Amino acid sequence: KAGVTQTPRYLIKTRGQQVTLSCSPISGHRSVSWYQQTPGQGLQFLFEYFSETQRNKGNFPGRFSGRQFSNSRSEMNVSTLELGDSALYLCASSSLAGTDYGYTFGSGTRLTVV
Amino acid sequence: QKEVEQNSGPLSVPEGAIASLNCTYSDRGSQSFFWYRQYSGKSPELIMFIYSNGDKEDGRFTAQLNKASQYVSLLIRDSQPSDSATYLCAVNAGNNRKLIWGLGTSLAVNP
Repeated sequence: KAGVTQTPRYLIKTRGQQVTLSCSPISGHRSVSWYQQTPGQGLQFLFEYFSETQRNKGNFPGRFSGRQFSNSRSEMNVSTLELGDSALYLCASSSLAGTDYGYTFGSGTRLTVV
Repeated sequence: QKEVEQNSGPLSVPEGAIASLNCTYSDRGSQSFFWYRQYSGKSPELIMFIYSNGDKEDGRFTAQLNKASQYVSLLIRDSQPSDSATYLCAVNAGNNRKLIWGLGTSLAVNP
């Protein structure tokens, strides 16, 4: 059974650019959550999607947005990149919505903003 | 006060010993508690979850939850060098029940 697939694995972008990250959850999983991980802040919740609807959102600026498609694949977009956006972005999938159940994480996308 | 706190470590134990990792949380309404393991350069991997007070055992791992004292711990028996990793505690908290993460405890198991 394929795991959670995130693409690309690595990205280098310039300040002011925008970026789109992709996540394909485990087959049959309808919940996708996105996290930002940095050494100083740890894992910070960005948003959760379930059946194409955003169920929950973290405390990130509006430059961070996401969506989920009918096949449960999800994309995350960051516009007007800042140096502080450099981080590991992790996607996690679950068969059910909410945080009462464990996640399976993808390998992540390492974003570097220069 | 941070919502989920863990000792950053590093916690160093000899091979074969019991490693004890602790996590405290601030939201008394939290209902679900998770331990993830993250190897360097890898993504977190779920190893245990617990919902009720008491102990839950899975192989060499035991999760312990004490809601009155607001702590959850992870015991690793017969520690192996392959257990060397960062262990993340996660707790669902708040009215919107978001998952709040500790910064992790680094564990080193020495052969």
